[in-house]
Order: sequence, then C-alpha cells, then structure tokens
Amino acid sequence: EAEVAQSPRYKITEKSQAVAFWCDPISGHATLYWYRQILGQGPELLVQFQDESVVDDSQLPKDRFSAERLKGVDSTLKIQPAELGDSAMYLCASSPGYNEQFFGPGTRLTVL
Amino acid sequence: RKEVEQDPGPFNVPEGATVAFNCTYSNSASQSFFWYRQDCRKEPKLLMSVYSSGNEDGRFTAQLNRASQYISLLIRDSKLSDSATYLCVVKGGSNYKLTFGKGTLLTVNP
Repeated sequence: EAEVAQSPRYKITEKSQAVAFWCDPISGHATLYWYRQILGQGPELLVQFQDESVVDDSQLPKDRFSAERLKGVDSTLKIQPAELGDSAMYLCASSPGYNEQFFGPGTRLTVL
Repeated sequence: RKEVEQDPGPFNVPEGATVAFNCTYSNSASQSFFWYRQDCRKEPKLLMSVYSSGNEDGRFTAQLNRASQYISLLIRDSKLSDSATYLCVVKGGSNYKLTFGKGTLLTVNP
C-alpha cells in the first residue's frame, strides 16, 4: 500500500536554529498539504500545493516559514529561525485532487 | 466562534458501552464532513465520511444535520481498540480546505 513518507521522524533543535522537513507524497497525488498539530489540538493547515503551485498559504507564518515543491513531487518545509512555540507535530498529507487526504507519520519537532 | 467545535472530553467508558461524540461547525457553506481517528503519537486516519442521510459502518454511525450545523458519531459496543482521539473534520472553500476540531479523547477500559 502506497504511503506518504516524511523525514526526519523526530527533530530536536535549539531556538534560533534552522530546521527542514521533507515529504514525499503518494505517487500521482497532485495535491500536497503541510499541517502543524500542537499537542491537544487538531491539525492546522499551513500550506497547500497543487502540483508545484501554492494554492493556500494564508496560515503560514511567512516571516520564518517557507515551503516549496519545486518539481511538483516531493516538498520541503523550512523554519528559520525556530522558536519555542514551533514545537509541534508537522504532518504532510497528499490527495489525488481534492478527495481523501492521506497523512504521513509526521515529524515531531522539539525546540529547546 | 471556532470553525469546528467538539465535545472537550476526555471520555472514559467500559468495554461494551455506547459512546457519542458531538461536533458543531460555523460555516454553513461547508461541503463535506468527516470523522478521523488519531492514535497516540500517530497520524490522523479517515474513519468515515458523514452524509446528510446518516451512514453506518459496523459499530459506527455518523449523522449530519445541516440545518443545525451539527455532526455526531456514535460508537456501539466499544472495544479496547477504539481508544483514540476522534477528530471532527469539515471541508469547504474554493480549495476544499480541511478544518479540524480539537479532537475528543476516548479511553475504553477493560
């Protein structure tokens, strides 16, 4: 069964450092999403791609966060500089169009 | 008002119990509705879609009331393996964005 891959699974960093997360969606899925899930909350959409284009980044803190999907396949989410409040689970999901989203295992970020 | 609000929980029930989760949403133009399940430290997974006519999948029954902007999930004959967080999810907008509730934690005890 095809799955969304994410790496790393866990990341510990100090505040003011840069971190990057990688996501490889299910093959053929044109739509890719990055979510942030703070402990005790539901996932919140950060950015949505359709192929290589951003279609929604209204909740992305653009002063420190950036996301790209250069070839319309895998994607990278970067935080620079990391802050204590960025500690969370970062989830990637993909879907064939606007149908069911399939989530990856997530990257758990701890900022010290 | 939050876009999607759920029972705060947590719910602790014995095996075999029936448990119901409630959810309300604020955007009357929302298009689709779902329940996702999330195990501890795992990713969310789709449990079931929710239709206006109501739908059932084994021990799980989901209901949608568009007039009241209310969604429910009923679990009958609870199993230990049902222990998880249940997320109410609403899809809408031009980009079919998913909006998640905070989730309700269910623990089924032996």
